[in-house]
Amino acid sequence: DARVTQTPRHKVTEMGQEVTMRCQPILGHNTVFWYRQTMMQGLELLAYFRNRAPLDDSGMPKDRFSAEMPDATLATLKIQPSEPRDSAVYFCASGLDAGFLTDTQYFGPGTRLTVL
Amino acid sequence: RKEVEQDPGPFNVPEGATVAFNCTYSNSASQSFFWYRQDCRKEPKLLMSVYSSGNEDGRFTAQLNRASQYISLLIRDSKLSDSATYLCVVNLRNTGFQKLVFGTGTRLLVSP
Repeated sequence: DARVTQTPRHKVTEMGQEVTMRCQPILGHNTVFWYRQTMMQGLELLAYFRNRAPLDDSGMPKDRFSAEMPDATLATLKIQPSEPRDSAVYFCASGLDAGFLTDTQYFGPGTRLTVL
Repeated sequence: RKEVEQDPGPFNVPEGATVAFNCTYSNSASQSFFWYRQDCRKEPKLLMSVYSSGNEDGRFTAQLNRASQYISLLIRDSKLSDSATYLCVVNLRNTGFQKLVFGTGTRLLVSP
């Protein structure tokens, strides 16, 4: 049963520290998404890759956030420096964009980040 | 105005009840629609896609009204295991790539 994996599952850090979250998409999927979920805002799209190329990162604060896909099996989301308002659950999702509007996204278990 | 709006609930219903959720979306260019389910402290998972003709999957029925820009989900014969948050999702496909926009969810609590 193929799944998206994310590490770490939980992270507590202090303000100003660098945080790196990792995601392994489902093998064969060509799209990767990073979302942030908070109680107030719900799920927000931060970044979107297709075939490892960044297509949309308009939802991501550029001054402190960066997202990369060094290879097809690894996506990273980095926050530097972290701030308390970054506390949230960060989900990675992957999918197979075959051009159909019903393409499904499969979510990883999330990284629960707390910035003190 | 949010792109996708849902009543946050919670909807408290007894087992066996029928419950319905609605969701409205603002972008008329939205091209496909979904309901996702999210259990507490878990990731969202696809429940069902929503088609213009309406579609049914067991106890779940989804409807789409493009003219009024709303989507509905009907759950019949509610089970305790249906307790979760239901996320309404629209797919904006423009400039060649898709973008899923999520509502903040409607929470359902089914009690014995």
